[in-house]
Amino acid sequence: EPEVTQTPSHQVTQMGQEVILRCVPISNHLYFYWYRQILGQKVEFLVSFYNNEISEKSEIFDDQFSVERPDGSNFTLKIRSTKLEDSAMYFCASSESPIPYNEQFFGPGTRLTVL
Amino acid sequence: AQSVSQHNHHVILSEAASLELGCNYSYGGTVNLFWYVQYPGQHLQLLLKYFSGDPLVKGIKGFEAEFIKSKFSFNLRKPSVQWSDTAEYFCAVNRVTGGGNKLTFGTGTQLKVEL
Repeated sequence: EPEVTQTPSHQVTQMGQEVILRCVPISNHLYFYWYRQILGQKVEFLVSFYNNEISEKSEIFDDQFSVERPDGSNFTLKIRSTKLEDSAMYFCASSESPIPYNEQFFGPGTRLTVL
Repeated sequence: AQSVSQHNHHVILSEAASLELGCNYSYGGTVNLFWYVQYPGQHLQLLLKYFSGDPLVKGIKGFEAEFIKSKFSFNLRKPSVQWSDTAEYFCAVNRVTGGGNKLTFGTGTQLKVEL
């Protein structure tokens, strides 16, 4: 069964450093998402991406964050200058189309630890 | 803005006990409703979803949920839990129109099933 994959599974970085989290969505999916979950808190929406542009973003997704689909398979989340409060589990998801009825398939997550 | 509440944060049951996990949402418009499950060390997986029609929805692994529009609720049930149901359960909603595809999650319920 096709799966969303994410790398790395765990990333440790120093405050102020840039990190890039990578995702490979399911191959025929066109709509991509990033969510995050700070330890002990809710899974929160960050951004959705369709047709090579951001469709929607939350207030969390400020200028420090960016997303990119650099090739036909990868979908990345970049945090330019990490803060302690960026420590969280980051989940990538994909769906076949932008229709809200479509299931979002989630990856296993990348645990980001900012020291 | 929409929000989702899950009232039980930790539930401990013995095998064969019945399960009901509460989920309430706040949004006046039409929503799609989802229950996701995360088994230890695994991805978020869709258990079941409600878009329209019969408010009693059956999902995988013997789970079901009932949408009660007047109560803004979508409670998850299983008549007889198994040890393998030990996991974290998340209720989520998205709006049918005007809300994009973003999922709004509840805080999750950690279920532990004891032998």
